[in-house]
Amino acid sequence: KNQVEQSPQSLIILEGKNCTLQCNYTVSPFSNLRWYKQDTGRGPVSLTIMTFSENTKSNGRYTATLDADTKQSSLHITASQLSDSASYICVVRMLSGGYNKLIFGAGTRLAVHP
Amino acid sequence: IAGITQAPTSQILAAGRRMTLRCTQDMRHNAMYWYRQDLGLGLRLIHYSNTAGTTGKGEVPDGYSVSRANTDDFPLTLASAVPSQTSVYFCASSGDESSYNEQFFGPGTRLTVL
Repeated sequence: KNQVEQSPQSLIILEGKNCTLQCNYTVSPFSNLRWYKQDTGRGPVSLTIMTFSENTKSNGRYTATLDADTKQSSLHITASQLSDSASYICVVRMLSGGYNKLIFGAGTRLAVHP
Repeated sequence: IAGITQAPTSQILAAGRRMTLRCTQDMRHNAMYWYRQDLGLGLRLIHYSNTAGTTGKGEVPDGYSVSRANTDDFPLTLASAVPSQTSVYFCASSGDESSYNEQFFGPGTRLTVL
């Protein structure tokens, strides 16, 4: 079954600290993986996209990694800010299969406290 | 700039009533989608449209219908609402269905069916 599992479900950190969110997937065939940020009461916004051949990609203080062999991805947030408080969703796209192509994880809810 | 707008922002509805959720995008995107987001679950695709005049069923289409009369609008209709349709509904769009095109999400409609 094509699944995307994220951990932890929720996380609380202090402002200025780093954190890493995990995403494991069993989606096949794999096309790409996106990390989205979803602020409370808003729609998800893309942070980064990873393809099969990419291991690391950064977007400011966000760094995503991908290990296609173990089917794992991580999102590392450096020097967290209060505005990083949000849900982070891992989304894997299948290479084929009609329009049911995106498999969404349930998200990790991050709270950054002062 | 608006991107994607959804209306209403929230709605409380009696079971058995008919309801249409509106979605409009101004990016001239060909593809549009409707998702529902439930606590503890990833977003699930309800219906999609890859171009004006065509629609297709997603993962959870039962109880919902859509139409795509033009490029900009993609309304979602609940013909006879049931409590299990209580959810947050997100409309999204992308330039086309190519693998690397980002889906842009609207702000969501929170629907409660009593």
